[in-house]
Amino acid sequence: AQKITQTQPGMFVQEKEAVTLDCTYDTSDQSYGLFWYKQPSSGEMIFLIYQGSYDEQNATEGRYSLNFQKARKSANLVISASQLGDSAMYFCAMRERNTGNQFYFGTGTSLTVIP
Amino acid sequence: SAVISQKPSRDICQRGTSLTIQCQVDSQVTMMFWYRQQPGQSLTLIATANQGSEATYESGFVIDKFPISRPNLTFSTLTVSNMSPEDSSIYLCSVDAGITSGANVLTFGAGSRLTVL
Repeated sequence: AQKITQTQPGMFVQEKEAVTLDCTYDTSDQSYGLFWYKQPSSGEMIFLIYQGSYDEQNATEGRYSLNFQKARKSANLVISASQLGDSAMYFCAMRERNTGNQFYFGTGTSLTVIP
Repeated sequence: SAVISQKPSRDICQRGTSLTIQCQVDSQVTMMFWYRQQPGQSLTLIATANQGSEATYESGFVIDKFPISRPNLTFSTLTVSNMSPEDSSIYLCSVDAGITSGANVLTFGAGSRLTVL
């Protein structure tokens, strides 16, 4: 089974609007972390936000927030007030305590912000 | 967090040749990770490079095809050997950046985009 599933290959959003990028995960570990990365066309992977499995509150970092629903095993990224520079690939990733250093990445969602 | 310099940033290579990618970190790190991202795909871990020992390869990747060096705590190289068009990918070096936002976050280099003709 896939560890990380991103079901939206491509998304469009109007500038200044909010957008939600979906991510579901599969793990039997009680301790794990969820991450979102942004990859612009240049290819670099940029860390955006992190959510720990034991965190009670949803993580927020500026315009990014993570809608963490543990029972549903989902960790959706919400980008508020979209900007043209947000156009990029977005990857959800997970790290489990039991598997040590292994990061599992989803297949990514391509976001295009429309002016 | 750590700053990673990776080169070359891109290259066009001929089938059958080999290319070495360099990764330099601005601080000492125990482990460095090499990932491959094939066109339109997600990231796949190739191997973990430890200083002073052999790299640990993931299933589907072998040392003969992807030899790795780790001569010190700030530097590593990945060689893609006997390249074929299927090796056309972005190759990314990464390290554990330490605690950021309460977690060990992976920091990545800018990537090396290889095209094999």
